[in-house]
Amino acid sequence: GENVEQHPSTLSVQEGDSAVIKCTYSDSASNYFPWYKQELGKRPQLIIDIRSNVGEKKDQRIAVTLNKTAKHFSLHITETQPEDSAVYFCAAALNQAGTALIFGKGTTLSVSS
Amino acid sequence: KAGVTQTPRYLIKTRGQQVTLSCSPISGHRSVSWYQQTPGQGLQFLFEYFSETQRNKGNFPGRFSGRQFSNSRSEMNVSTLELGDSALYLCASSLKMGGSLSSYNEQFFGPGTRLTVL
Repeated sequence: GENVEQHPSTLSVQEGDSAVIKCTYSDSASNYFPWYKQELGKRPQLIIDIRSNVGEKKDQRIAVTLNKTAKHFSLHITETQPEDSAVYFCAAALNQAGTALIFGKGTTLSVSS
Repeated sequence: KAGVTQTPRYLIKTRGQQVTLSCSPISGHRSVSWYQQTPGQGLQFLFEYFSETQRNKGNFPGRFSGRQFSNSRSEMNVSTLELGDSALYLCASSLKMGGSLSSYNEQFFGPGTRLTVL
């Protein structure tokens, strides 16, 4: 079955620096890769996603890249702010609808001011 | 629109008991997925329901089961509870099934039910 590996498990940066989180997946049939942010005590929320027919997607300070050949995708956060501190999860979808997600184990991002 | 709601929010049970958790999706959403979240294993997919039918299933033992009602509300049941079942159980709803490369279905998570097994 699908397996998603996520690195690093923890990441500490200074405010204004960039942060990069990397994920690899095993099932080449996966076509949808969302990223979720979970603040302490809160529910996960979708921050950005990418489909397999796209190599890169940006949304303000957040970008995601996908390399289907290598089966890896990455989250890039530029100009980090303290409110970016949270746990970030990457995921790969088991199904076409994207409603059955296999998650990486998460990256705890700490942004210090 | 009201978000995804889950009841109860907290639950304490003892080993061997069974438990039923409930999830009410966003109005109009027909797909409900369940996930188990633990510090060691992260978020793990349990199963997904759409139109009262289980469509996808993760790698959990048969003690974990679920169902969906005609109003899209879903329940999951865990029988013969074990200490390792202690976790946050999250459900997520989405608008529709079926997708193409141009449209996938964002999942909206509920607040979760915190289950503690003693």
